Amino acid sequence: AQTVTQSQPEMSVQEAETVTLSCTYDTSESDYYLFWYKQPPSRQMILVIRQEAYKQQNATENRFSVNFQKAAKSFSLKISDSQLGDAAMYFCAYRSGNRDDKIIFGKGTRLHILP
Amino acid sequence: DSGVTQTPKHLITATGQRVTLRCSPRSGDLSVYWYQQSLDQGLQFLIQYYNGEERAKGNILERFSAQQFPDLHSELNLSSLELGDSALYFCASTQLAGPYNEQFFGPGTRLTVL
Repeated sequence: AQTVTQSQPEMSVQEAETVTLSCTYDTSESDYYLFWYKQPPSRQMILVIRQEAYKQQNATENRFSVNFQKAAKSFSLKISDSQLGDAAMYFCAYRSGNRDDKIIFGKGTRLHILP
Repeated sequence: DSGVTQTPKHLITATGQRVTLRCSPRSGDLSVYWYQQSLDQGLQFLIQYYNGEERAKGNILERFSAQQFPDLHSELNLSSLELGDSALYFCASTQLAGPYNEQFFGPGTRLTVL
């Protein structure tokens, strides 16, 4: 069975600094997708970034980028120029490329932005 | 606003009761997903429907059931409720069923079982 592990329950970063959130996963599949979701205090789940396993190039969305290490099964999220609005719970998620479309979330990392 | 609506926003009920949570997907979206978010279990995928048919099943208890109607809205039925069922229940929708499609999440229904 696939698992997703986020080893940092909480992190803090100074405003305008860079922070990296860690995520590791375990799977025997070759076709899968990885996601980072943000859940602010409003509880709304928002997709931050996604990565296809078959792509070697790391995904980037503005200030958000990932470091995808397929062999190491690692998928970290880097947030550059941190802003107060980035404060939220961040979830790493795995989704199989197979038809059953299950999605598995990590336990989350709560990110605090220090002014 | 994601375009996904969920009702009710809050629900308080007693153990042993049955409740129904409703989800309306974004206009044009054919697939609906249900998730449970609790403090001890985290965020768990429950079930997915695509165009009225069950497509994938996660950690959904036998006391729980869901369906998607012809107008594409979905309902999650929770019966014989236990204290541990207290959680935030999300639904999400996508236009298609494939794994790459971005899921748009609703605001959730907060269920409290007393």
